[in-house]
Parts: sequence; C-alpha cells; structure tokens
Amino acid sequence: QSALTQESSVSGTVGQTVTLSCTGNNNNIGTFTVGWYQQISHGAPKTVMIGNSLPSGIPDRFSGSKSGTTASLTISGLQPEDEADYYCSTWDYSLSARVFGGGTKLTVL
Amino acid sequence: EVQLVESGGGMIQPGGSLRLSCAASGFTVSSNYMSWVRQAPEKGLEWVSVIYSGGSTYYSESVKGRFTISRDNSKNTVYLQMNSLRAEDTAVYYCARGISSSSAYHLFDFWGRGTLVTVSS
Repeated sequence: QSALTQESSVSGTVGQTVTLSCTGNNNNIGTFTVGWYQQISHGAPKTVMIGNSLPSGIPDRFSGSKSGTTASLTISGLQPEDEADYYCSTWDYSLSARVFGGGTKLTVL
Repeated sequence: EVQLVESGGGMIQPGGSLRLSCAASGFTVSSNYMSWVRQAPEKGLEWVSVIYSGGSTYYSESVKGRFTISRDNSKNTVYLQMNSLRAEDTAVYYCARGISSSSAYHLFDFWGRGTLVTVSS
C-alpha cells in the first residue's frame, strides 16, 4: 500500500489537457515539495516536475501544482510521446522516508 | 553531461550477496546525495537507501540491516552491498542523484538506466 494515492490509469487524445493527481496527508504532501517522474515503457525514470518548477529540457506543456494534501501534474497539448507511467513522490515525516505513489498509466489515444 | 551507469546485477540464490555499482560522470558524488530506488516486476518505485554528502546513510525498513550503501570518491562511484537476499528483493535497481535545493532535497533530478537483480533458486 503506497503512502501516496494516484489514479491507476488516465487517458486523453492528442492535443487534449489531462491532469494527474496525487493524494497524501499533512505528513507528506501537505508539508513537502512533490516531484513527478515519467517512466516510458519501463525505462529509466525521468524527472518532469519539481514542485511547480520545470527541470531543464522538459516542455512547458507540463505544469505542477498543489492544494492542501493533493498535488497535480497537468499536461496540456497532449502528445503521443507523453504516453508513460507517472509517479509522484515526496518526503513523509512520520515514516522518515521518501515515498512514492503507485503510479498512473497515461494512455494517449 | 550528468550520467549514472549502474552495474552488478544478475541472478542470485536466496540468502546470497551482491554488490551494485553506480558510476557517475559530469558531477562529483561526494558533493551530492545519492540514492538507490528499486522497482519490482510490474510494480511501482520504492526508495531503498541514501548516502548524504557528509557520509550519513539511511535505509528503508525493508532492507535495513541487510543492505549497505557506500561510495568511493576516487572512483566517483556509489555502491549498494546487498546481503541475505530474498525473493522479494527481485527488482530493477536505479541509482538517482538528489536535488541540492533545500526545499526539494528529498527529490531526484537524474536517474540511471538501472540494473536487474533476480533472487531465485
């Protein structure tokens, strides 16, 4: 059972805007910065969002936000290459550990 | 260019030991904190261990007492010594570099491609 809860799957068509969510509590998301990692076809994870900041090389179609104990990753103008598994992660104060969500499989129709 | 290359994975019997390596280039491992993160077959990501720039080390409860993280500054390489391996340790093990920012110190900016460890008799 993951400390953070994500949708198991989300789908969208090319050009559409989709939002992935990550829900936790005040011991984790409510207090600490959330990161998002993209994993294409079980390859190496790639960092696509740190809080609401884009790492170098990540298109500005990606944006991040947080409200209370829920973080969100929004992808606008969805592209075929965005099809991947997305994991959220942060620090959990009560567990004294880095925690991940279970991952969301994004399908681009 | 930052690169992380893991090696040392393979098939090992339960109870056995294995040492993974993560060779870094483009930055100095001793100036950053480095973590190992694993992914069991068809499962999500799981944090395993971290070594901070000052040398402090921490482990997840699932590997504490069995795994040891270390680094060799002269080789710019981080290691994960895995002892008393169990079937549930079967996973791809990724090396990841921690972010230096104080507000995001618990997150990662670069990842390696991973090395597969299979624990089976």
